[in-house]
Order: sequence, then C-alpha cells, then structure tokens
Amino acid sequence: QLVLTQSPSASASLGASVKLTCTLTSGHNNYVIAWHQQLPGRGPRFLMKLNTDGSYTKGDGIPDRLSGSISGAERYLTISSLQSEDEADYYCQTWDTGIWVFGGGTKVTVL
Amino acid sequence: QIKLVQSGTEVKKPGASVKVSCKASGYTFTSQHINWVRQASGQGLEWMGWMDPKRGNAGYAQRFQGRVTITGKTSITTAYMELSSLRSEDTAIYYCVTMGESVTWGQGTLVTVTS
Repeated sequence: QLVLTQSPSASASLGASVKLTCTLTSGHNNYVIAWHQQLPGRGPRFLMKLNTDGSYTKGDGIPDRLSGSISGAERYLTISSLQSEDEADYYCQTWDTGIWVFGGGTKVTVL
Repeated sequence: QIKLVQSGTEVKKPGASVKVSCKASGYTFTSQHINWVRQASGQGLEWMGWMDPKRGNAGYAQRFQGRVTITGKTSITTAYMELSSLRSEDTAIYYCVTMGESVTWGQGTLVTVTS
C-alpha cells in the first residue's frame, strides 16, 4: 500500500534552514512526488514536483531558497534563509494509477 | 495560466446531497484529469477521486465509493463533484485540482453540514 509519512512538526530560527522529510513506503522508491504549501487560513499551493533522479520542477513564483532532494525512499524539501512567511503546513503528495496519496503534513514554525 | 474557479459556499442538512462545480481555463480541458481533495477543519488533505474529461470516466477513493460522483461537461470546461448522504463529518473545504507539468488548485468550496 502506497503511504507517505511526514513528521507532524518542524521548527527553525529566522534565517536558518529547515529540511522536511517525506518517506515513501518500502518498495515504492521510484515515485515522483509533489510538495505543497498551505499558509494559515489559505488553500494549498503547489511548490514543486520532485523526480526520482532528484531533479525538480517548481511552480510559478516559488523562490530559489526552496529546493528538493531525494535519498532512497526519502523525499526532502529544504527551505533556506527561513522567513516568517514560510510558517505553514507542508504536504507531500504522490500518485499511482487511479489514486492520489497525501502525507499527513508537517507544520513548520519559524522561531 | 491555468485557473480553476469553484462554486460558492454550501450549507446542507444531514442526508442531503451537494454538488460543487469547478470551471477550468487556460489549458485544454480534455488533456488533464481533474481530482477532488477535501480538508476538514484542522485536518490534513484527503483525496476523494478523479475524472478524465477526455474519456468521461472517473475513479474514487474506497472510502467514498457509492457516495461520490465526479463528472464533467467539456463544452463548458467544468467539472463537478457530487457527494450524497451528507453527515456532519463531511463538513470541510472541497478543492478541485489538476496536474500536468505543475499542479493547480481551485480556491476551495466550504461545505457545511448542519441540522
């Protein structure tokens, strides 16, 4: 069964970096995922698609300080030079034939 | 620029049905599936199902089978999600979403189920 696992929360200081992890279930290493951001009180916003070779394609207007990477079954979103407006929920998402799957989301707090 | 514009807030009684629309523009409507995702207050994102505007078929998450119907009208580039036998736990924001090179979200439609 295809499942994405995210830590419920993460925090870092203003100006620092934070690396969010999204883990695919065993045996599902070769899946492209997408990252989405949801600011408080707002709808989700697409950030990037992260390919199985570690390359990624960002959505319009997504700043350079957001990047993606992979290692095995783990998919990462790194936010550098953390700003107050980065405080949000971040969801990873993947898909297979006929289904979409979302991770539980990670709440990022900027200290 | 791809845009998805959804219909407005709905208030329904338990047992009723709701139909939410999603008007697509900025791309060829038949080239991308439309998915529906919902989010209850304070909860995560929950995928409900998809529709292929080109073939006219749809697929649903198991937990919504028999209660949700996703359709589309290509002449007006609009997708619909109908949820029946509503209960209070269906109170949520419902989003239509399409994915091609990138992912585009509708603005969301609040559906409140209350007696």
